[in-house]
Amino acid sequence: SYVLTQPPSVSVAPGQTARITCGGNNIGGKGVHWYQQNPGQAPVLVVFDDSDRPSGIPERFSGSNSGNTATLTISRVEAGDEADYYCQVWDISSDHRVFGGGTKLTVL
Amino acid sequence: QVQLQQWGAGLLKPSETLSLTCAVYGDSFIGFYWTLIRQPPGKGLEWIGEINHSGGTYYNPSLKSRVTISVDTSKNQFSLRLSSVTAADTAIYFCARALYGGNSYIDYWGRGTLVTVSS
Repeated sequence: SYVLTQPPSVSVAPGQTARITCGGNNIGGKGVHWYQQNPGQAPVLVVFDDSDRPSGIPERFSGSNSGNTATLTISRVEAGDEADYYCQVWDISSDHRVFGGGTKLTVL
Repeated sequence: QVQLQQWGAGLLKPSETLSLTCAVYGDSFIGFYWTLIRQPPGKGLEWIGEINHSGGTYYNPSLKSRVTISVDTSKNQFSLRLSSVTAADTAIYFCARALYGGNSYIDYWGRGTLVTVSS
C-alpha cells in the first residue's frame, strides 16, 4: 500500500518560514492535499491539488509537489499556525485514501 | 454551507459493534464520497472507508473484515458499523465529505465523536 512520510515535528520562530514535507514514491504524479488540525477540533483543508488554497485560507499557505516530495510552506509564521498538519493523497492504484502520519508545527 | 452531524454510542465493551450515523445538511448528497476517518488519542488520522450515493464502497484493508458503510439517500445519511471492537478501536470518529476524482480531497468534516472501548 502507498505510504506517506512526514517529519513528526517542525519548529520555527514567528515571522519565519515553515516547510513541512510529505514523502512518497513518485508523489509528484499525484494530487496532494494538506489539512491543519488544532487540538480538539476537526481538520481543516488548507491546500488542495498540490498548491491551491480554499477560500478563507491566507496566502501565507502554499504548496508544491515534485518527484518524491510534496511540501507545505507557511510564510510569516504566526503563533496561531501552531497545529498538526497532515498530507493526503488518493491512491488510484488501490482506490484508498492515504494520510501522512502528521507533523506538529511548533512556533517558538 | 454543508454541515455534517454525527451521533453514536460513546462507550462500548470489547466485542460489541460500533455504530455511527452521519447526516448531511446544506447540499446535495449526490456526487460526493461520504467518508469515515478515525483518530486514536494523541495519534494521527486513519482512513476507515467511504461510500458514494449509489452505495459504491472503498474500505481500508486493515479494517475491511469488520467494517460496513451504508447509505440512506432518502435521509441524506450514511452510517458506519465496526464489529468486534477492542481497546485499539478507541478513537475520535469523523464523518466527512470528499470530492470525486483521482485527486480526491475532503472539504467538509463533522465535529467528531469520541468512542471509548473499555470493559
